[in-house]
Amino acid sequence: QVQVVQSGAELKKPGSSVKVSCKASGGTFTSYAFTWVRQAPGQGLEWMGGIIPAFGTSHTTPKFQGRVTLTADESTTSVYMELRSLTSDDTAIYYCARTGGVWESQRYPQHWGQGTLVTVST
Amino acid sequence: DIQMTQSPSTLSSSVGDRVTITCRASQSIDSWLAWYQQKPGKAPKLLIYKASTLESGVPSRFSGSGSGTEFTLTISRLQPDDFASYYCQQYHSYPYNFGQGTKLDIK
Repeated sequence: QVQVVQSGAELKKPGSSVKVSCKASGGTFTSYAFTWVRQAPGQGLEWMGGIIPAFGTSHTTPKFQGRVTLTADESTTSVYMELRSLTSDDTAIYYCARTGGVWESQRYPQHWGQGTLVTVST
Repeated sequence: DIQMTQSPSTLSSSVGDRVTITCRASQSIDSWLAWYQQKPGKAPKLLIYKASTLESGVPSRFSGSGSGTEFTLTISRLQPDDFASYYCQQYHSYPYNFGQGTKLDIK
């Protein structure tokens, strides 16, 4: 059975950084890609980026380029999303999802984590 | 970037109704489209991928169709559990944008 488990809620000050972890179990870690999606309060889903551990590649949407770093650790079957220079606009639930596979035709988010609430406030 | 536009934004329907949600891409995405259902306070759930392939465990009253730039999600007979928000997402080319969502509520 596939499980995707994310780290807990975070309260951050403006200008600081946050790092959210996501651990996937069930299946071979390098057989999948991982996607990060965020959802601001009352808003829709926003694709942030994705990482393919087997290829050592990642992509982030232009809006977040320079502020987001996506990493993967095969030894712990975990992926990480670090977001820097936080503002109140970054207050959102951040979701990690494992995709159907590594190839282009499989990169739909299939198994989702429970979400991590990041609150940015003074 | 490929922009995804869903319609309608909100939809009021009754149990037993047949409903259709449309998703349009700003350029061709072949069949690389997925649909998700999201309930309040919960993570999204994959319903359909590759435009028309039903994810395992998803009821057969859900179906998807389309290719190129126009796609539809149809729920054949609404059940109480189906009142939720629905999103489309393209995975043809980065960034893998979502549509803005459709909220389906009870009439």
